[in-house]
Amino acid sequence: GAVVSQHPSRVICKSGTSVKIECRSLDFQATTMFWYRQFPKKSLMLMATSNEGSKATYEQGVEKDKFLINHASLTLSTLTVTSAHPEDSSFYICSARVSLRGRRSYNEQFFGPGTRLTVL
Amino acid sequence: SQQGEEDPQALSIQEGENATMNCSYKTSINNLQWYRQNSGRGLVHLILIRSNEREKHSGRLRVTLDTSKKSSSLLITASRAADTASYFCATALYSGGGADGLTFGKGTHLIIQP
Repeated sequence: GAVVSQHPSRVICKSGTSVKIECRSLDFQATTMFWYRQFPKKSLMLMATSNEGSKATYEQGVEKDKFLINHASLTLSTLTVTSAHPEDSSFYICSARVSLRGRRSYNEQFFGPGTRLTVL
Repeated sequence: SQQGEEDPQALSIQEGENATMNCSYKTSINNLQWYRQNSGRGLVHLILIRSNEREKHSGRLRVTLDTSKKSSSLLITASRAADTASYFCATALYSGGGADGLTFGKGTHLIIQP
């Protein structure tokens, strides 16, 4: 159980276009999903926290107008990179936390396989 | 925000040997987690240790946590070529009641030579 999928797995786009990445929890409900980005040979950096039905919370230095996050349901969050530029090229990974109402979850997160974005 | 730091940054050992990686962090935490990432792939959750635990085992993995030193270690025993990957520690400030993303360390790149 606890499978998270991402789509697409790889995308190449032209500078100035927008790209949407989907993150789905396949067999559980996730009230909270997280978006991370990872540059080559670097660690993951948290970009934003996505809560179902409310606005996302962005980390310092992450432009909310640049990286639009929508958490429309308990199983789907989307990240849209608007007006992408080459410096946005990165590996984007989402994670989802199991919604355990009434139980402590210890913040174990399940990660998607990642989406590699290349902006030409 | 806090940062976890692993050392060494890279480790190369012979198959069959034990591999030890360390992680340090700066603030109080609720739990610490270790993940593995194969090149260009997503993360695989290995083990979670809570702040009130000192040691945890899972198969060939042994994790220790010293909250007084704000450090953790991951030991992989009897290493195999398939263990070649990058290993990250990640810390969580809260148990889950708050919307709290993980803070990742820089990672240790482990190479197991056959």
